[in-house]
Amino acid sequence: DAKTTQPPSMDCAEGRAANLPCNHSTISGNEYVYWYRQIHSQGPQYIIHGLKNNETNEMASLIITEDRKSSTLILPHATLRDTAVYYCIVRVNYGGATNKLIFGTGTLLAVQP
Amino acid sequence: DTAVSQTPKYLVTQMGNDKSIKCEQNLGHDTMYWYKQDSKKFLKIMFSYNNKELIINETVPNRFSPKSPDKAHLNLHINSLELGDSAVYFCASSQEAGATEAFFGQGTRLTVV
Repeated sequence: DAKTTQPPSMDCAEGRAANLPCNHSTISGNEYVYWYRQIHSQGPQYIIHGLKNNETNEMASLIITEDRKSSTLILPHATLRDTAVYYCIVRVNYGGATNKLIFGTGTLLAVQP
Repeated sequence: DTAVSQTPKYLVTQMGNDKSIKCEQNLGHDTMYWYKQDSKKFLKIMFSYNNKELIINETVPNRFSPKSPDKAHLNLHINSLELGDSAVYFCASSQEAGATEAFFGQGTRLTVV
């Protein structure tokens, strides 16, 4: 699986949009971009994933650049409960031994009141 | 209802002991996982089972033995515990081996003294 690079930490004001970047310059054509987050003392939580098109769900939006070498997770109106470590992961969606999430160090997003 | 539940939540034990952590999912998923998060917060996969069959076995000491009595349960037994086994262990499940979203339990914090 391709490696990803994320800033170690970011701050965001409550109510503002949080834009979390991720570089995955060695991503291959069949690898998806996934985002998970881990709130303190909890298990990781799936947020969103995409292949090449931008995606949106009730939690967030995912913007993937045309060359797919980077992406941005957008939390449109951050709240204090969004304070967490956000992980950007790339992987294929095949079954078997490839079906594992390889977590990096993630970005600690601190939402400030 | 808790989707993926682990017991116990906390476990303190002495070096050399044998202990088990239990995991149950009520989502009807076919695939279950064990991840380990160490003191530096790195989260790494250990094992994955699909329909009670082992499909991922990362480089883990053979003191760690997963057991899946049925597809809703994946227990982790650890023999001869060592100080370095202290970590948070997360169980997870997904619909199938190639599924996009994994659901994680709340974790078991193991402390070996």
